[in-house]
Amino acid sequence: EPEVTQTPSHQVTQMGQEVILRCVPISNHLYFYWYRQILGQKVEFLVSFYNNEISEKSEIFDDQFSVERPDGSNFTLKIRSTKLEDSAMYFCATKGDSNQPQHFGDGTRLSIL
Amino acid sequence: KQEVTQIPAALSVPEGENLVLNCSFTDSAIYNLQWFRQDPGKGLTSLLLIQSSQREQTSGRLNASLDKSSGRSTLYIAASQPGDSATYLCAVRGSGGYQKVTFGTGTKLQVIP
Repeated sequence: EPEVTQTPSHQVTQMGQEVILRCVPISNHLYFYWYRQILGQKVEFLVSFYNNEISEKSEIFDDQFSVERPDGSNFTLKIRSTKLEDSAMYFCATKGDSNQPQHFGDGTRLSIL
Repeated sequence: KQEVTQIPAALSVPEGENLVLNCSFTDSAIYNLQWFRQDPGKGLTSLLLIQSSQREQTSGRLNASLDKSSGRSTLYIAASQPGDSATYLCAVRGSGGYQKVTFGTGTKLQVIP
C-alpha cells in the first residue's frame, strides 16, 4: 500500500536555527497537510495546501512557518528561528480528493535544544 | 470553534471483552469523522472514515457510528486483543473551507492478556 514518507525521522537543532521537514506524498495526491503533536498533548492542525497555495492555516501557523512544494513532489515545512516550544512530532498527511481520508506519515520528531 | 472530546481518557480491559470508545464534538456542521489509532512513537493509522451522511462504518472487529445531530460518535471494538492496545483518536473535519481537521484528546486503551 502506498505510504506517505517523512524525513528525517528525528531532527535535533539548536534554538534559533532553521529546520526543514520533508514529506513525500502518495503519488497523485493533491491535498497536503501538516500537523504537530507536542508530547502528551493532542494532535493540532497547522496548515492545509492545495493547488500550490495555502488553503487554510491555524493560529499556530504564524510567520515563523512556511510550506512549499519546491519540486512538485516533496512537500516541505520550514520553521525559522526555532524555539524550545517548537519541539514536537510533526506529521504530514495527504489525500487524493476531497472525499478520501487523509493518509499520515510516521512523523518527524523535532527536538530543539 | 470546534471542540472534540473523548471519554474515557484511558481504559484497561481484559482480553476478549467488547468495548466502546466515545467521541463528542461541539459543532455538528461536519463533513466527516475519522477514527485513528496511534501506537507509541508512531504516526496515525486510519481505522474508519464516516461521511456526514452516513450513520456507521464497519471494518472487521471495528464498528464506528455517527450521530451528527447530537455531536457524538462511538467506536466499538469486538473481542478485544492485546494488539489493540494503542491510543485511539477521533478527528472531525469541518464542512467549510478546505477541511480543517480537529482532533480529540484520545483514549489510551490497554488490553490485558
